[in-house]
Amino acid sequence: EEQLVESGGDLVQPGGSLRLSCAASGYNFSDYWMDWVRQAPGKGLVWVSRINTDGNSANYAGSVHGRFTISRDNAKNTLYLQMNSLTAEDTAVYYCVRAREYCIHGVCSVGFDHWGQGTLVTVSS
Amino acid sequence: DIQMTQSPSSLSASVGDRVTITCRASRTISRYLNWYQQMPGKVPKLLIYAASSLQSGVPSRFTGSGSGTDFTLTISSLQPEDSATYYCQQSYATPRTFGGGTKVEIK
Repeated sequence: EEQLVESGGDLVQPGGSLRLSCAASGYNFSDYWMDWVRQAPGKGLVWVSRINTDGNSANYAGSVHGRFTISRDNAKNTLYLQMNSLTAEDTAVYYCVRAREYCIHGVCSVGFDHWGQGTLVTVSS
Repeated sequence: DIQMTQSPSSLSASVGDRVTITCRASRTISRYLNWYQQMPGKVPKLLIYAASSLQSGVPSRFTGSGSGTDFTLTISSLQPEDSATYYCQQSYATPRTFGGGTKVEIK
């Protein structure tokens, strides 16, 4: 059974840093792009970042570009999110998600088919 | 960035009702549209991909339709376990973007 388990969430002061980890199991981790999605308390889902299978290409939401870095270690089946210069607006549950490409009738839509349980990041003094 | 707008933001309906949620993209996204369900206190779950294809294990009362900029998620006969927030998400371009969500409550 596919499983994603995040860790690393914590209370951190504004301007601080944190590194999240996501351990994948039950499938061939290196075959899939991986993403991070966050959800502030009581709010909606917001996409944060994605990384390709080899780990040499990444994309970021504008709100985190230049502050967050996504990476992966395929030998360890682990996804990471390094978060720097944190602000209160970064307070959220961070989900590690597997991106799967679904192709039908000439359309290949990438959906998030497996989600971790989430890890809470709180930025506050 | 492609903006995704859902309506309504919330609704209340009775068991057995037909429920429709709309999602509009700020520019054409073909059929690169997915729907998710998030039950209270739970992790989101993929319901529909490529606008109209049902994810494995999802009940057939859920249907998706649309292409271009306008999409619809329909629950044909609302059940108590469908009480949740539903999100659309485009996969046409990066950054991926979600709609603001539609909270469905049971009367």
